[in-house]
Amino acid sequence: DGGITQSPKYLFRKEGQNVTLSCEQNLNHDAMYWYRQDPGQGLRLIYYSQIVNDFQKGDIAEGYSVSREKKESFPLTVTSAQKNPTAFYLCASSIGEGGNQPQHFGDGTRLSIL
Amino acid sequence: AQKITQTQPGMFVQEKEAVTLDCTYDTSDPSYGLFWYKQPSSGEMIFLIYQGSYDQQNATEGRYSLNFQKARKSANLVISASQLGDSAMYFCAMREGKAGNNRKLIWGLGTSLAVNP
Repeated sequence: DGGITQSPKYLFRKEGQNVTLSCEQNLNHDAMYWYRQDPGQGLRLIYYSQIVNDFQKGDIAEGYSVSREKKESFPLTVTSAQKNPTAFYLCASSIGEGGNQPQHFGDGTRLSIL
Repeated sequence: AQKITQTQPGMFVQEKEAVTLDCTYDTSDPSYGLFWYKQPSSGEMIFLIYQGSYDQQNATEGRYSLNFQKARKSANLVISASQLGDSAMYFCAMREGKAGNNRKLIWGLGTSLAVNP
């Protein structure tokens, strides 16, 4: 079945450690997105990519980095510079970035600090 | 200022009854789209329904319909014949601008719906 796979489902980070969240899609979508969700808040955009080898910062990019070397993959690295990384992270993709195209989401990764 | 406002933090509905979840938006762009998503406790975000600003009719998808009142800038989600599985968070989101520009989704804070048996 086509879809978006995020892994791991749960992740723990130690102080000063970088961690990478995986996001893979087999929907042949051009655009991919990373969101952060905190309790009581809506989704906030971290990074997005409209095509391979190109990505843009979202609203809260500080302390995060991404790459888009393949169309199917858009990994997110939470660096040690992100002082409050505990949150639920959602990856999404869409056919394009405009019009009536909805974003389709993975199941998310819950990141906590040890 | 909030561009998407969902004024109901929590809602209760009896099974088999209809429920309306409110969403108001703020934009000066004549071209925009409105999306509703469902997020169960498991966490995944599920797309439900879309309404474009130029659509002449209210969108419908099965038990979901959108009460789109453009002059009031509201796009309320109506769920008919509620089921226990409808218990979840519901998010309203807006995309502004013409295709080709940076057209991010702007999200509301969500409404928690509980369906009672």
